[in-house]
This record gives sequence, C-alpha cells and structure tokens, in this order.
Amino acid sequence: TQLLEQSPQFLSIQEGENLTVYCNSSSVFSSLQWYRQEPGEGPVLLVTVVTGGEVKKLKRLTFQFGDARKDSSLHITAAQPGDTGLYLCAGALRLLETSGSRLTFGEGTQLTVNP
Amino acid sequence: DSGVTQTPKHLITATGQRVTLRCSPRSGDLSVYWYQQSLDQGLQFLIQYYNGEERAKGNILERFSAQQFPDLHSELNLSSLELGDSALYFCASSVGTDNSPLHFGNGTRLTVT
Repeated sequence: TQLLEQSPQFLSIQEGENLTVYCNSSSVFSSLQWYRQEPGEGPVLLVTVVTGGEVKKLKRLTFQFGDARKDSSLHITAAQPGDTGLYLCAGALRLLETSGSRLTFGEGTQLTVNP
Repeated sequence: DSGVTQTPKHLITATGQRVTLRCSPRSGDLSVYWYQQSLDQGLQFLIQYYNGEERAKGNILERFSAQQFPDLHSELNLSSLELGDSALYFCASSVGTDNSPLHFGNGTRLTVT
C-alpha cells in the first residue's frame, strides 16, 4: 500500500482551465514537498510546506497543507501547455534514531495541458 | 541544472551481472539519497547517506549496496541483477538531513535483459 495517495493519476485538460490535484495520507508529516518531473529528467522542487494549514502561492500555483499535516493540494489556475508534467508530492518523516529523514513520494499525477 | 551529476545515463546489462551507478552531489550538499523509479511503483526511496554515514534505509534489496566517499560522491552497487531491476535510478542531494529540499540528478536508466 502506498503511504501517499495522489489523485487523480492522470489529468488531461485544455489550456486556460483550472485544476486541483490531491495528496492524501493517514500519516502525519513534518513537512510536505511538491515536485514536477519532465520526461528524461529528475524531479524539480516546486515548494515545501511545513505548518498545518499553510498556503503558499507560486504565480499560478497554490499549495495547501492540511491542518493535520496529513494531506495537501495543488491548484493551478489558467493552466498552460508548459505546466505539462508529472506532479509528485513527497512527505518527510523524521527518523529520530538516526537524525535522518525519509522522504516518501506519491505515485504522481500526470498532467497534460493541451493547447 | 540541479548541480547533481549521475553517470552513466544509460546502462544495458544481462541478468546476473553487477553494475555500479555513480553520483556527484551538488557543491556544498552533504546528504545523498538514492531512489528507484519504475512505471508500476513510482519513486521508491532506497537509502540516504550524510557526510559518509548511512542515515536512513528504505526498500533497498540485500543485493543492492551503497556508500558515500570522503569527497561526498556516492555509488550504488546492484548485483545479481534481475529483469525486475530495470528502472530509472535517481540520486538526489541536500544540504542537511532533515527536510532539506532535494536536488535530483537526471538519473541512470538501467535495462536488464
């Protein structure tokens, strides 16, 4: 079973439409990160949210961290073809015994924005 | 450019063989992470090193091992390869160990035939 569930798995929309993708878990995370990955490349960090209820805006992208720090959403307004990519959420679980940090990724939402 | 370098970009080998994947972290980053990405399982955390020491372990098979050297570069060794090991292997680096944003390389695509 996946620790982080992302929905939808696939999303194909027209340019100019709005969309929301979700990242849900039963675990509490110390922080949550969103990445975007394009074919042939590694994921690139978009944002990190740390505080429950936190909302961060990055131009047309709005990220929200749930109050209980178990879920998050990414909302894109007026989507553009350049937004096409695999959007991954990743929750950080702190490992107190080793001072390490395990970042667990969801399976991603593949977004296609058609011109 | 993330500053993380992975070599080789592509690797094709046969079942039963052993390969080594190499990663140079971004300048100044002390942590190195290895991830495996396959179509059916997404991005799976394998292992983390910080300044040469293992700090976290994920779903890493016993046939796989890794290390981080004094110059902070890291190697992931995959042995007794099976068809199911075919995947993209990503290295990422970060400054610290706790919730630091990860900077990913462009991965090594391993194909086991």
